[in-house]
Amino acid sequence: DVKVTQSSRYLVKRTGEKVFLECVQDMDHENMFWYRQDPGLGLRLIYFSYDVKMKEKGDIPEGYSVSREKKERFSLILESASTNQTSMYLCASTPGGDTDTQYFGPGTRLTVL
Amino acid sequence: QKEVEQNSGPLSVPEGAIASLNCTYSDRGSQSFFWYRQYSGKSPELIMFIYSNGDKEDGRFTAQLNKASQYVSLLIRDSQPSDSATYLCAGAVSGGYQKVTFGTGTKLQVIP
Repeated sequence: DVKVTQSSRYLVKRTGEKVFLECVQDMDHENMFWYRQDPGLGLRLIYFSYDVKMKEKGDIPEGYSVSREKKERFSLILESASTNQTSMYLCASTPGGDTDTQYFGPGTRLTVL
Repeated sequence: QKEVEQNSGPLSVPEGAIASLNCTYSDRGSQSFFWYRQYSGKSPELIMFIYSNGDKEDGRFTAQLNKASQYVSLLIRDSQPSDSATYLCAGAVSGGYQKVTFGTGTKLQVIP
């Protein structure tokens, strides 16, 4: 079974703090994704990566950055957390090629005070 | 803006009935479609995917795809209370690292 893990299930941070969310997958998947999910807005793509050190902006990259130094690990960074970044953050990975099935991690519920 | 649209619901059906969930998409380049189930407070999990026009059955679930009408549906037969969840429809342009576009989900409530 594919396993995608995220560093925290719940996180509370203060406005202006730098926040790191980490995601690790154990199936040698090529592609990794960060989404945020908010009521009524669904899943929105923040960034994705299709290879080590490669990244592409998604639909809502403002206020976020990412890092992929190793194939299995994809980090999301909030440079200066703001209250409007309070959300559920979901990491996902896919094998690549013609298979686009997304395997999701358990999610991190981030609250910014 | 390429979109996948779903009615947010809630869709309420009695236990044992057929639940019909629908989705439309705007990108004619989309070739792969997925249905995910998401329980409250949990992450989405894949139920089915479909690539070809027509029906695809897996147990109590049937996915239907009509590319001409840009329409995808999911039928759940013999609905159970445990099927109560939000169902997300997603479309993707096949191959490589193209992005998957998700709908906002339909909340299904199965009434015992």
